[in-house]
Parts: sequence; C-alpha cells; structure tokens
Amino acid sequence: EAGVTQFPSHSVIEKGQTVTLRCDPISGHDNLYWYRRVMGKEIKFLLHFVKESKQDESGMPNNRFLAERTGGTYSTLKVQPAELEDSGVYFCASSQTLNTEAFFGQGTRLTVV
Amino acid sequence: GENVEQHPSTLSVQEGDSAVIKCTYSDSASNYFPWYKQELGKGPQLIIDIRSNVGEKKDQRIAVTLNKTAKHFSLHITETQPEDSAVYFCAASPRGSTLGRLYFGRGTQLTVWP
Repeated sequence: EAGVTQFPSHSVIEKGQTVTLRCDPISGHDNLYWYRRVMGKEIKFLLHFVKESKQDESGMPNNRFLAERTGGTYSTLKVQPAELEDSGVYFCASSQTLNTEAFFGQGTRLTVV
Repeated sequence: GENVEQHPSTLSVQEGDSAVIKCTYSDSASNYFPWYKQELGKGPQLIIDIRSNVGEKKDQRIAVTLNKTAKHFSLHITETQPEDSAVYFCAASPRGSTLGRLYFGRGTQLTVWP
C-alpha cells in the first residue's frame, strides 16, 4: 500500500512568486492534514480536511495560503505571494477516521529567497 | 491552546545504552500522546502512542510512560542501536480532537555512537 506522497520534495522560489504543493493521501483516508515546520521549531498544524470539506483551518497563517481538496482525494496548498518567512518543511498527513493514527508524508522543503 | 515542551533538544548515547526523552503538556484535557521518529529525508513515522487511561506502554525496545497528574510523558529506548539515530517528536492531542490534530514538541536529535 502506498503511503502519503508529497510533491515536490524541494522547491526554491523567489519572494513574491507563487508555489503550489501537492499531497496524495493514503487511498481511502478521508482525513487529510497539513502541517509546517519552520527551522528549529515545532511542527505546527495548518488545517484539516474531512473529504473535501475544511474541518479546521485555525492554523493557517494568513490569506496568502490557500488549501483545496477538490473531490476529496489529493490536496494542494498554494502560497501566493510567497514571503521569506514561509520557508520551512510542509508536511501532509492522512488518517482513515477521526480516531485513528495519522500517517505523514516525507514533506516538501520550501525555500523562499 | 495546548503547549508541548520537549527536552533535551539533542542527545548522544553510546550503542547499547538507554535514551530517555521527556515532554510536558499544558492542557489537562489532552488524552492521546504519540511519538514520531523522523529519519533523514523522510517524514515523521509513528513509533508508539499512549492514551490517558494507561500509565505505561511497551513495544520491544521502546516504552512510553505517562504521568497525568504531573502532565508529562517520556520515551524510553533501551539497548540503543545506530539505526535509532533520528529526530524524535512527542505530540499531544486534546480530548475531543481528531487524533491527527496534534501539538508537537520541538524535537530531539538522538545520535547513537557505535
């Protein structure tokens, strides 16, 4: 069974540009989460989808971040326009139900220069 | 919201020795405490978890203990091996939240020297 996969693994963009990260959850997992780790700090929650609906987006930093999960399968996280402080590793995780463990992808390392 | 503190930030041990990583949490309503291991170039992988109705859980060389009164939990790795070298994260999930809604500590870089 394939795990959670994220694309790309690395992205380097200039300040002001747009970047879109993609996450493919484990097949059949209704719950999808986005997290971010800024260097040296804790992994922080961004938002949670149940199927195609946003269940909790309390961790989204500001309106430059837009997450979508059309059709309830894969999800994208767009940052527009990117700022220097957006640099970090973005993780996606998925779980089958609300009460089962979350499995993480390998992350996308975003560097804004 | 919940706040999770993790210590130490780095830990070096000799192969065969034990390693202990400690975490504290602030929200007494938290009831699920997973530990994740992140190897270089990979994502965090769940290695063990404990719920608030249990004080200790073991899985081969790893164990987790939970003290609800003191609001702290610890990861114990015995007979460490070089392949245990990784970053370890503790996390907590508040009661009523989905188990994927986690508050993480800052991580501990464990190095096991052969």
